[in-house]
Amino acid sequence: AQTVTQSQPEMSVQEAETVTLSCTYDTSESDYYLFWYKQPPSRQMILVIRQEAYKQQNATENRFSVNFQKAAKSFSLKISDSQLGDAAMYFCAYWNTGNQFYFGTGTSLTVIP
Amino acid sequence: NAGVTQTPKFRILKIGQSMTLQCTQDMNHNYMYWYRQDPGMGLKLIYYSVGAGITDKGEVPNGYNVSRSTTEDFPLRLELAAPSQTSVYFCASSHNEASTDTQYFGPGTRLTVL
Repeated sequence: AQTVTQSQPEMSVQEAETVTLSCTYDTSESDYYLFWYKQPPSRQMILVIRQEAYKQQNATENRFSVNFQKAAKSFSLKISDSQLGDAAMYFCAYWNTGNQFYFGTGTSLTVIP
Repeated sequence: NAGVTQTPKFRILKIGQSMTLQCTQDMNHNYMYWYRQDPGMGLKLIYYSVGAGITDKGEVPNGYNVSRSTTEDFPLRLELAAPSQTSVYFCASSHNEASTDTQYFGPGTRLTVL
């Protein structure tokens, strides 16, 4: 079975600074997708960024970017110019062609004013 | 558009009781999903549907049933509630496969089984 590991239960960052959240995964598949989701206190899950495994280029969405290392099975999220509204739980997720999602246990991000 | 709506927001059940968690989306999405989120954990997929009349099991389907008679609705049924089913339940939908399309999540239902 696929597993997704987030080894940082909590992280903090000063406002306007940069923070990187780590994620590793285990799979024997070659075709899959990786995601970062944000879950604010409202509990809704919000898609932050998506990466296709067959693409070597790292995905970026405004202040959010990923470092995708396929051989190392690593998928970290970098948040630049952190804002107070970035404070939330962040979940790394894996999806395979069997239409199955697997989520990590999450990283709680605190943004310090 | 209301997006994905879930009812109820909160519910307390006694062991052995049954209930249905409702999920409705008004975006004409083909794909719908049910997840559970236990405290301090990520989401686990319970069931999903790729269209009306078609459902399939996810990672943790035991103790649950689903149906998809319409595109809009995807109810989740708990037949004999157990304390292990205490969790927050999220419904989600997407137009295409979640790998290629954004999943839209509902606000969640917090269920406690005592």
